[in-house]
Amino acid sequence: GQNIDQPTEMTATEGAIVQINCTYQTSGFNGLFWYQQHAGEAPTFLSYNVLDGLEEKGRFSSFLSRSKGYSYLLLKELQMKDSASYLCAVKGNAGKSTFGDGTTLTVKP
Amino acid sequence: DGGITQSPKYLFRKEGQNVTLSCEQNLNHDAMYWYRQDPGQGLRLIYYSQIVNDFQKGDIAEGYSVSREKKESFPLTVTSAQKNPTAFYLCASSPYEAHTEAFFGQGTRLTVV
Repeated sequence: GQNIDQPTEMTATEGAIVQINCTYQTSGFNGLFWYQQHAGEAPTFLSYNVLDGLEEKGRFSSFLSRSKGYSYLLLKELQMKDSASYLCAVKGNAGKSTFGDGTTLTVKP
Repeated sequence: DGGITQSPKYLFRKEGQNVTLSCEQNLNHDAMYWYRQDPGQGLRLIYYSQIVNDFQKGDIAEGYSVSREKKESFPLTVTSAQKNPTAFYLCASSPYEAHTEAFFGQGTRLTVV
């Protein structure tokens, strides 16, 4: 089976940097995804890691260490609109993805 | 424009009634998924299909049924056997390849009274 852990809530200040961690234990691994979800809306894709290392995409970066079962999402230059839930998801065997419970990020002025 | 469409956005049903949620995609994706999301929680997989006329149970399939008669369509029926059907239901699709993200519909919020 798959088990994914991420913090429930985080708070940060506008303009700052925040790091959201995700640890996972899986029976198969075909990549780790980060999604952003605003309340009442569908998740939208942010980033993808399948090899170890850092992937940068504008203000968002994601890191993966497969040996440690660990990933993080880094958000720079935080804006108020970044207040949302951030979901870590691992794609395992047979195309199935398992999602964490999400981290609710609140950005304060 | 290509995308994935769920309808309706809000749905109310009486307890004991079956209800079918629609999901249509014109992205030519092979794989389609149904997830359930409860308040403060992540997405839990109900059913998924990687090819037409084939589908597999996810982690919480009890009380639900699906069909995949066309590549574009993957409707979900919430039956009266589902103990707690009130939830936010999300449909997603992706290409068959493993290293691809999922594209989500806008979701259907089902309330059973």
